[in-house]
Amino acid sequence: SQKIEQNSEALNIQEGKTATLTCNYTNYSPAYLQWYRQDPGRGPVFLLLIRENEKEKRKERLKVTFDTTLKQSLFHITASQPADSATYLCALSSNSGYALNFGKGTSLLVTP
Amino acid sequence: EAQVTQNPRYLITVTGKKLTVTCSQNMNHEYMSWYRQDPGLGLRQIYYSMNVEVTDKGDVPEGYKVSRKEKRNFPLILESPSPNQTSLYFCASSLRRLNTEAFFGQGTRLTVV
Repeated sequence: SQKIEQNSEALNIQEGKTATLTCNYTNYSPAYLQWYRQDPGRGPVFLLLIRENEKEKRKERLKVTFDTTLKQSLFHITASQPADSATYLCALSSNSGYALNFGKGTSLLVTP
Repeated sequence: EAQVTQNPRYLITVTGKKLTVTCSQNMNHEYMSWYRQDPGLGLRQIYYSMNVEVTDKGDVPEGYKVSRKEKRNFPLILESPSPNQTSLYFCASSLRRLNTEAFFGQGTRLTVV
């Protein structure tokens, strides 16, 4: 069956450091992968989309890598701030292309 | 402002009393979907719609109905709610089915007693 796995343990880091979150998937042949941010009780907010032929994508302090051989994406937040504290979700389109499936998310806490 | 609007935000209802959660988007998006989010289970897709009058089941469709009579609206209907449908619900829309970001509504927290 198709699986998207994100580290279920919360990630605690100090302000100013780089946070790195991992998304691993099995039984997907994704053409692209997305990352979302979700704050408690609110809807996910889109951050970045990376296509299978792109190894890396950047947006301000965010960087995403996509390794289709390892079946893994890494999401980096550089110079992290307390305002970056949230849950980060990885999303893949199902092989049929009709659904956007989400991982369970990793909670990030950035402390001053 | 581009947005997806859900109503109500909070709802407490009794078992068996039919309810509808509305969803509307102002971005002329083709693709809309409904998700539920439960602790430890993440976001799971209930139903989706690729365009007007085109809907299909997601991963957890049992107990739900949807309709897409207009492009902007995609209501979620619970004909006979049960306590196991207590959850946080999100509507989402995207320009196309593939390769585009999804915009989510604010969420509807439903409690069925």
